[in-house]
Amino acid sequence: KAGVTQTPRYLIKTRGQQVTLSCSPISGHRSVSWYQQTPGQGLQFLFEYFSETQRNKGNFPGRFSGRQFSNSRSEMNVSTLELGDSALYLCASSDVDYGYTFGSGTRLTVV
Amino acid sequence: TQLLEQSPQFLSIQEGENLTVYCNSSSVFSSLQWYRQEPGEGPVLLVTVVTGGEVKKLKRLTFQFGDARKDSSLHITAAQPGDTGLYLCAGANRGSQGNLIFGKGTKLSVKP
Repeated sequence: KAGVTQTPRYLIKTRGQQVTLSCSPISGHRSVSWYQQTPGQGLQFLFEYFSETQRNKGNFPGRFSGRQFSNSRSEMNVSTLELGDSALYLCASSDVDYGYTFGSGTRLTVV
Repeated sequence: TQLLEQSPQFLSIQEGENLTVYCNSSSVFSSLQWYRQEPGEGPVLLVTVVTGGEVKKLKRLTFQFGDARKDSSLHITAAQPGDTGLYLCAGANRGSQGNLIFGKGTKLSVKP
């Protein structure tokens, strides 16, 4: 079956702009999690959605938000972009508590 | 705040050598997962260990979960160039679905 699909793969934005990233989970998976990966901090948890409800949230400012649709597809939005938001954004889907399948990520560069 | 410390941070070895990567925490986790990530791609799950003292083997890779469920190790026997990549351990807790605590990773390079 198809894996986790993230679009777009690459994105360049200017400081102050906003951006929306998309994630389509594996068919049948209802849980979608988002992570930010940077060389300095590694992978850090942003938030997790299950059946359109946010179940868990990491320690990121309110500029980072997300949502999940009825078909389990998820989007995350970052408003008022800062240079430090440049990172690889990864989403992962799961149908059980253990074992997450990650997408290839969206590489966001803020200039 | 739960943290996972991975060591070593970098490892460069010759093909055929053995190696061990460690993942340590002062906190207890419900499960520990190991992932491998290649440049420009997302992490790929290798194994999940759940029971303290559990040992799992995946071909030349052996994973162990500490008795107290605070640490884990990954041992690779006779490393091959195809094993090159970033190895990440991640801890999970019941009730914190989706919230994996990742170590910073071990960057492994296996030279032919």
